[in-house]
Amino acid sequence: KAGVTQTPRYLIKTRGQQVTLSCSPISGHRSVSWYQQTPGQGLQFLFEYFSETQRNKGNFPGRFSGRQFSNSRSEMNVSTLELGDSALYLCASSGRLSTSSYNEQFFGPGTRLTVL
Amino acid sequence: GNSVTQMEGPVTLSEEAFLTINCTYTATGYPSLFWYVQYPGEGLQLLLKATKADDKGSNKGFEATYRKETTSFHLEKGSVQVSDSAVYFCALSASNFGNEKLTFGTGTRLTIIP
Repeated sequence: KAGVTQTPRYLIKTRGQQVTLSCSPISGHRSVSWYQQTPGQGLQFLFEYFSETQRNKGNFPGRFSGRQFSNSRSEMNVSTLELGDSALYLCASSGRLSTSSYNEQFFGPGTRLTVL
Repeated sequence: GNSVTQMEGPVTLSEEAFLTINCTYTATGYPSLFWYVQYPGEGLQLLLKATKADDKGSNKGFEATYRKETTSFHLEKGSVQVSDSAVYFCALSASNFGNEKLTFGTGTRLTIIP
C-alpha cells in the first residue's frame, strides 16, 4: 500500500509569513504525529492527532498548530515564521486500533522548510 | 523526563567491519525501544524494536538487546556493507503500546568505505 505522503517536499518562506504543511497517512491509519528535525536540536516531537483530536503535544510555542480531518489527513501550520523554524518536518502515521496493541510509526519523506 | 543518549558520530568503518553504536536511555516505567535509520533525502525507517526487557530486536543483520539493568539498547552488526551508510537514531516510546511520542537520540552518521 502507498506510504505516508507529505506535501510540499520543499518550501521557502520569509520571516513573518505563515506556512501550512500537509500529511496523508497510510490508508487505514488514524494516528498522525509530527516531528521537527534540525541539526542543532535533532528530532523533536510536535504533536499527535488521533481521530481528529490532539492527544499529545510537545514543547513548542503556540505558533505551531495542527489539525486532523475526518479522512485522517493532517496539516500543521506555523505562523509568524522565524529563522529558527528552518527544519525538516516529518510526519508519521500508525494504525492504532486499541490501547493494548503495538503499532509501528511509518514516516513520510518530510517537508524541508527554509525561512529566509 | 525521558531522554536518549547516543554515541556521537560520525563513525567511519571499512566494509565487513563489526559495528556497535551505543545507546542508553532514561525513562520512567517500561518504555519500548527502537532503532530508526535515515538514508539521504528520505524519512525515517524503523530498523528494529524491542518492547520489553531482554527482548532482542533484529533486522537486516542488525541486532539490539533491551537491557533494563544497564538501561541500554546498543546496535550491532557483524559485517557492515557500503549500503549501510546512513544516519541511525535510537528512540524510546514511553508506552508499551508503541504509539506514544518518540523521544530520539541525536543520531549517529555511519559511513562505510569499500
